[in-house]
Amino acid sequence: ETGVTQSPTHLIKTRGQQVTLRCSSQSGHNTVSWYQQALGQGPQFIFQYYREEENGRGNFPPRFSGLQFPNYSSELNVNALELDDSALYLCASRYRGNYGYTFGSGTRLTVV
Amino acid sequence: QKEVEQNSGPLSVPEGAIASLNCTYSDRGSQSFFWYRQYSGKSPELIMSIYSNGDKEDGRFTAQLNKASQYVSLLIRDSQPSDSATYLCAVGNNDMRFGAGTRLTVKP
Repeated sequence: ETGVTQSPTHLIKTRGQQVTLRCSSQSGHNTVSWYQQALGQGPQFIFQYYREEENGRGNFPPRFSGLQFPNYSSELNVNALELDDSALYLCASRYRGNYGYTFGSGTRLTVV
Repeated sequence: QKEVEQNSGPLSVPEGAIASLNCTYSDRGSQSFFWYRQYSGKSPELIMSIYSNGDKEDGRFTAQLNKASQYVSLLIRDSQPSDSATYLCAVGNNDMRFGAGTRLTVKP
């Protein structure tokens, strides 16, 4: 039991479509980050949210956007899907001041 | 661009040996350093964090940090087959960046 739940587990979308991935963090985890992990690669930082505001962003285009809600849940939205967006998307959360992140089990997105 | 570099491996050690995993990073201002373990098909799991120069030990794991050399390492003593996984080095706090990972195989 990691305390961080992601949904859905797997998803297949068509190029050009939009997708929303969801994450539910454990109570008190007010910092959440999203990562993209391609096969055989390390996780790539997309962005971080703290208290519902984005406070860090990696090298991803604006069509990657996010939201964090007061109930410790968050969303990753990707517009205009491209084939290269196919990857494992990981949500990670922590208490601010406790630097260790807990990862969810991920959403495997396939774009065809 | 903040970079984190790891030897991709694979690294193979016999059971009971010491496995040594290395990582370098580019951002001199980094203050937080982590090692994660990722089993195949699973998500990363935090195994060590280190913030100050020197060594930090936790059971069979020892993390070493040298900020002057921008170098972080992880030693696994008495390696077990269950340690076979990909080990990810991560650097940073508000924008934690990962290396590509080193695949470790511990042979019985």
